[in-house]
Amino acid sequence: SQTIHQWPATLVQPVGSPLSLECTVEGTSNPNLYWYRQAAGRGLQLLFYSVGIGQISSEVPQNLSASRPQDRQFILSSKKLLLSDSGFYLCAWSPQYTEAFFGQGTRLTVV
Amino acid sequence: AQSVTQLDSQVPVFEEAPVELRCNYSSSVSVYLFWYVQYPNQGLQLLLKYLSGSTLVESINGFEAEFNKSQTSFHLRKPSVHISDTAEYFCAVSASGGSYIPTFGRGTSLIVHP
Repeated sequence: SQTIHQWPATLVQPVGSPLSLECTVEGTSNPNLYWYRQAAGRGLQLLFYSVGIGQISSEVPQNLSASRPQDRQFILSSKKLLLSDSGFYLCAWSPQYTEAFFGQGTRLTVV
Repeated sequence: AQSVTQLDSQVPVFEEAPVELRCNYSSSVSVYLFWYVQYPNQGLQLLLKYLSGSTLVESINGFEAEFNKSQTSFHLRKPSVHISDTAEYFCAVSASGGSYIPTFGRGTSLIVHP
């Protein structure tokens, strides 16, 4: 069966520090991969999605970037965090044309 | 492009009462529809989905949703809620036959009181 791993679960980082959140999927190949950010009362905001290795689409211009160095690995990064980057970050994957499966999320607090 | 509107940000209800969480969507093409549930500090879990066929779909824990194409709705219902149903519920839509990029509503917080 397929599983998705996302870590860390919580993270407290100072303003101006770098960020790296990692997500890996097991049990499937060539999945679509997604990074979402969730703010209270605002639903899910799609940040990046990828349909293959090295193929990244950005939905919202911001202080973040994403990379897909391997088929089942998706990384969210920042060179310098801002206070506004705080939030709950969710990684998800989907097979073609069906539902998405989510990781457990990372609670990022920038201080 | 698709969009999803969840009309209620919060729905309080007493235990064992019925509940309906409303979802309307907009799309120029045929769609797939989903409901997800999120418990505090966790990721989203798929509750039920409509891809094709019967317009009434059910989950294993008593929720159901009906796809109404003419009203572009996909409301979620449960005839009798439990305390454990307290959670955030998200409606989502994607275009059938194309790349799956789900669009989510803002969520509805279901609060079940004893």
